[in-house]
Amino acid sequence: DSGVTQTPKHLITATGQRVTLRCSPRSGDLSVYWYQQSLDQGLQFLIQYYNGEERAKGNILERFSAQQFPDLHSELNLSSLELGDSALYFCASSVADSSYGYTFGSGTRLTVV
Amino acid sequence: KNEVEQSPQNLTAQEGEFITINCSYSVGISALHWLQQHPGGGIVSLFMLSSGKKKHGRLIATINIQEKHSSLHITASHPRDSAVYICAVRLGGAQKLVFGQGTRLTINP
Repeated sequence: DSGVTQTPKHLITATGQRVTLRCSPRSGDLSVYWYQQSLDQGLQFLIQYYNGEERAKGNILERFSAQQFPDLHSELNLSSLELGDSALYFCASSVADSSYGYTFGSGTRLTVV
Repeated sequence: KNEVEQSPQNLTAQEGEFITINCSYSVGISALHWLQQHPGGGIVSLFMLSSGKKKHGRLIATINIQEKHSSLHITASHPRDSAVYICAVRLGGAQKLVFGQGTRLTINP
């Protein structure tokens, strides 16, 4: 157990639907990062939150949004789902910024049918 | 051209062999990470480097900033080392990581 908790582990949903992925960072970590891993694109950075505020944005689609709550857990919301959104979604956390290293969660496997 | 290139893409070796995985990048970075992803999908951070060399058990990571190159070595390889090894760089001043495509390592007994 890395200390970063992601739920659910697996999710199967239909096109056009909306889902929410949840991440609880390791105790003491203030930053949360979301990554998408698809077969054709590999790992890609989506977004980072630090202590409740958006810190950096990557290749995140407008249909996707995220937030970090006062208790530091984060949620990634994916809406109007398409087949191409099927991927592994990873959350990682770090103490402050990425110069301290990362701890990854075990991921949520999303399948859109 | 990807900003981070790994080689080889696939590597199969016999137990006990010395393994080298290479990572080249084309941009200025503030740090380089080596990650391990097992067949179940989970990712473990192995090393974070900004210069020199780090060692942890049978794993050694080196980086040459001038040449924009890093290597991950595994000594006395074991079947449990079978995994995908991913190089990722943190661009200078940025928070995001840019990932290589990964090297799939298979160690046969």
